[in-house]
Amino acid sequence: NAGVTQTPKFQVLKTGQSMTLQCAQDMNHEYMSWYRQDPGMGLRLIHYSVGAGITDQGEVPNGYNVSRSTTEDFPLRLLSAAPSQTSVYFCASSLQGTGPQHFGDGTRLSIL
Amino acid sequence: KQEVTQIPAALSVPEGENLVLNCSFTDSAIYNLQWFRQDPGKGLTSLLLIQSSQREQTSGRLNASLDKSSGRSTLYIAASQPGDSATYLCALRNAGNNRKLIWGLGTSLAVNP
Repeated sequence: NAGVTQTPKFQVLKTGQSMTLQCAQDMNHEYMSWYRQDPGMGLRLIHYSVGAGITDQGEVPNGYNVSRSTTEDFPLRLLSAAPSQTSVYFCASSLQGTGPQHFGDGTRLSIL
Repeated sequence: KQEVTQIPAALSVPEGENLVLNCSFTDSAIYNLQWFRQDPGKGLTSLLLIQSSQREQTSGRLNASLDKSSGRSTLYIAASQPGDSATYLCALRNAGNNRKLIWGLGTSLAVNP
């Protein structure tokens, strides 16, 4: 049982480039979410999804897009990377929106 | 506005000690509260989840308690081991319609052999 898988683990981008962070879970969880973790600021919710075809914004959605075409996958797209988006990104899933969350190992993203 | 605070930010103890990690919150109207562990360079692992109606949850050497009236949750770790070294975060969901997780900044624990 792989749980939540995030790829890539590390990435360096130049300002203005775009990329997609991948997230997949094999637990048939309906609820998935993306967080960023920055020193001194804790985890902040970027976007979340309550099921295939349904997404909504979290507290820091600007500069990011998501889609949820299947239950398993929830990719996060950076449209035009900015240095302020340098962070560690975590994907999480849960069976129910209020239940225990399962996290991936994160993607460490640096934008130059 | 709900705020979650974890003090101290860092803690160092000798192996074998029983210890308590603290999580304080400002609004007692919560839905549930979770404790997570984060190892360096890794994601978060859910340790215990306490529903609003519960007073405590136990898993092995870990015991989490919840006192809504005082706005406090504690994570008790018995007979600490070097393998317990990690950052421990608490996060809660408010009661009502907005049930997004509100996170503390964590306590970094070092258990020294």
